Amino acid sequence: KAGVTQTPRYLIKTRGQQVTLSCSPISGHRSVSWYQQTPGQGLQFLFEYFSETQRNKGNFPGRFSGRQFSNSRSEMNVSTLELGDSALYLCASRREGVYEQYFGPGTRLTVT
Amino acid sequence: SQKIEQNSEALNIQEGKTATLTCNYTNYSPAYLQWYRQDPGRGPVFLLLIRENEKEKRKERLKVTFDTTLKQSLFHITASQPADSATYLCALGESNYQLIWGAGTKLIIKP
Repeated sequence: KAGVTQTPRYLIKTRGQQVTLSCSPISGHRSVSWYQQTPGQGLQFLFEYFSETQRNKGNFPGRFSGRQFSNSRSEMNVSTLELGDSALYLCASRREGVYEQYFGPGTRLTVT
Repeated sequence: SQKIEQNSEALNIQEGKTATLTCNYTNYSPAYLQWYRQDPGRGPVFLLLIRENEKEKRKERLKVTFDTTLKQSLFHITASQPADSATYLCALGESNYQLIWGAGTKLIIKP
């Protein structure tokens, strides 16, 4: 069974631009969560989607948004990029009713 | 305030010895706790889950304990190998499947 895939793997953007990251979950997993990881910080929860609906949301500004499609694929968008948005963005999928999360390799975003 | 603490400094262990990593938390009432392994440039990989009513869980060379009175989980790797070198993350789960993560402990196993 294919794992969680994320595209692109690396991205360099300029401050003020916007970016869209994509995540394809494991087949059969309808829950997709997004996290931001910076050096020395734990994973910071952004949001979780289930069946195309945002189910939970972390404490991030409205510049961070997401959506999920009917095939469970998810996208995350960050508008008006700031230098502090440079991070590894991870998505994770899981089967409903199961706690274990499966992570993708992440997208390394660098904002200059 | 709510806080999850893992050893911030790297843990250096001699090959063959037991590595013990600590996860302490305050002002949470987790229903369960998970441990993940993360290698550089990769996403975390699930290792073990322990529920609030369980004291200990084992999987091959891995053992996790969970003390809700001390608000602490210990993660043990016995007969450690250089391939066990990685960053280990603990994550608390409350009632809604949402996880709260520690910053991780870097484990280095020296041959």
